[in-house]
Amino acid sequence: AQTVTQSQPEMSVQEAETVTLSCTYDTSESDYYLFWYKQPPSRQMILVIRQEAYKQQNATENRFSVNFQKAAKSFSLKISDSQLGDAAMYFCALTLVYGQNFVFGPGTRLSVLP
Amino acid sequence: NAGVMQNPRHLVRRRGQEARLRCSPMKGHSHVYWYRQLPEEGLKFMVYLQKENIIDESGMPKERFSAEFPKEGPSILRIQQVVRGDSAAYFCASSRDRGQTYEQYFGPGTRLTVT
Repeated sequence: AQTVTQSQPEMSVQEAETVTLSCTYDTSESDYYLFWYKQPPSRQMILVIRQEAYKQQNATENRFSVNFQKAAKSFSLKISDSQLGDAAMYFCALTLVYGQNFVFGPGTRLSVLP
Repeated sequence: NAGVMQNPRHLVRRRGQEARLRCSPMKGHSHVYWYRQLPEEGLKFMVYLQKENIIDESGMPKERFSAEFPKEGPSILRIQQVVRGDSAAYFCASSRDRGQTYEQYFGPGTRLTVT
């Protein structure tokens, strides 16, 4: 079975600063994908970034980047130049390459201070 | 190209009533996944369906919950005799092919409130 842990229930960051959200996971499989989803108050699940486990290079999407440490089973999200619109719940998730569902972490609530 | 659609967006039911949640997958997608999000928690997998087939229902409560995805029309998640603990947001996701969970797209969710 797969598990995903997010040890930071809440985080805050000053506008324009950088913040890192932590995620660790456990799986005995070698082929999987990792994701970060953003859930604003509207509750829509918005894909932020995706990482294929077979890729050593860390994924980057504009101000969002990940630090993927496969051996340590760690997958942190870095948000640079934080904006007020980044305030939301952030969920880390894992799915196997031939899996049938996502496994989500409990989430981290990010506040952005003006 | 319309995304995954769910309706209603908000549903209020009294204890003991039935709740029906509908999900229309993206065009060209024939695989549907239902997730439940309890307050202040992450999403939890409930059931995975292909048209006219339940592939994996390992996350579904054993009683009162059922799901279907008919040949025509949306997927339906049905909760009979709702209780307060069923109050949650229910999300649907869809993918084109089996095993392509990494290409799942989420709907906006249905928030169920049981009074």
